[in-house]
Amino acid sequence: DIQMTQSPSSLSASVGDRVTITCRASQGISNYVAWFQQEPGKAPKSLIYGATSLQTGVPSKFSGSGSGTDFTLTISSLQPEDFATYYCQQYNSYPPTFGQGTKLEIK
Amino acid sequence: EVQLVESGGGLVQPGGSLRLSCAASGFTFSNYAMSWVRQAPGKGLDWVSVMSAGGTSTYYADSVQGRFTISRDNSKNTLYLQMNSLRVEDTAVYYCAKDVSTSVSGRATTPDYWGQGTLVTVSS
Repeated sequence: DIQMTQSPSSLSASVGDRVTITCRASQGISNYVAWFQQEPGKAPKSLIYGATSLQTGVPSKFSGSGSGTDFTLTISSLQPEDFATYYCQQYNSYPPTFGQGTKLEIK
Repeated sequence: EVQLVESGGGLVQPGGSLRLSCAASGFTFSNYAMSWVRQAPGKGLDWVSVMSAGGTSTYYADSVQGRFTISRDNSKNTLYLQMNSLRVEDTAVYYCAKDVSTSVSGRATTPDYWGQGTLVTVSS
């Protein structure tokens, strides 16, 4: 199985900051990476697929980049509703696998 | 508006069975692959299974292969997950998800919409 390693595991930031979360795949996966946001007690929400494409309705403050083994999710101008846990997922091959999550907390 | 509503969760003893349902609306159900993803209490996301739009292709996580069966009724816009021989480690919130693709063969797919989840607790 392909392992997805996210860093950092947790991150403290302030409202208005710009943050970047990194995801590394254990082997090359082209651009078959998705990113998800999960607020406490809620279902995940899909943000990005194909490493860079925003899902419908997702604001442009979210952006993704990368190809091969290294990928990033960047969130600009943090607002209170952005403080949540973020997961990457590879879907290049079965089984699709998720990173362990990055918890973004308010500083 | 896409809506996915799971039901069927509950408390079951180890070795028991449960059938989850996911009622879909707001999109052409028969055009999209559908998945189940679970999340154990306090843990991360764990992919369980996927079925193609037409129901002809399925994939399972090794941890549930041979115990869980995914199915769908496109006439009822409903996805199912039959879970047999349940184990304590199957305890989780189970999410139904609509995938971005029709096909699941060759390359895996990824969700674009998620249901609110249904809790399955396996305990004696």
